[in-house]
Amino acid sequence: QVQLQESGPGLVKPSETLSLNCTFSGGSISNYYWSWIRQPPGTGLEWIGYIYYSGSTNYNPSLRSRVTISLDTSKNQFSLKLKSVSAADTAVYYCARGDGTFDFWGQGTQVTVSS
Amino acid sequence: QAVLTQPSSLSASPGASASLTCTLRSGINVGTYRIYWYQQKSGSPPQYLLRYKSDSDKQQGSGVPSRFSGSKDASANAGILLISGLQSEDEADYYCMIWHSSAWVFGGGTKLTVL
Repeated sequence: QVQLQESGPGLVKPSETLSLNCTFSGGSISNYYWSWIRQPPGTGLEWIGYIYYSGSTNYNPSLRSRVTISLDTSKNQFSLKLKSVSAADTAVYYCARGDGTFDFWGQGTQVTVSS
Repeated sequence: QAVLTQPSSLSASPGASASLTCTLRSGINVGTYRIYWYQQKSGSPPQYLLRYKSDSDKQQGSGVPSRFSGSKDASANAGILLISGLQSEDEADYYCMIWHSSAWVFGGGTKLTVL
């Protein structure tokens, strides 16, 4: 069974960089897309972007200037960096497998942007 | 105007059917899109239910009961998630999603209450 687990700081200061990792197990990295999706408190879902196992990426145009997603195949891990954060970036951040059909999700990690 | 609009809430009785709508913004033709549906129960990540474009282009999520089905109402420019034989465990938030303008875009979600 594929499992994903997010990790990283739960509190980030305004203007700094949010960094999260997602470690996956139980399946192959090959031929899949690996995505980040977030959910601000009490509201809906926002797709952040994905990385393909080959290393190619695609980001939400609304976040593209601030986002980087990378992949470390040796660690079965992919990462999210979001720079210049503000309170509007406070959310539960999920990692997921897929592109459209997000078939496996992590449990999510709360990230709060506050000084 | 949002790309995808969902009613904020819907109530239905156990054993009945519920029709959840996802209306596409004017100028975006529902006929050209695959519409994805996700279920999110309180405190859990979303779960993929199904995608629907047409009767010849549809996919049920792994392990998702057949009482969850997708369709479209072209006259309303909307995608529909139909849940038949409602059970208490179906109480959740439901999100629709499409690929639009180079991003996965989610609707605001419908909170389904089964009572």
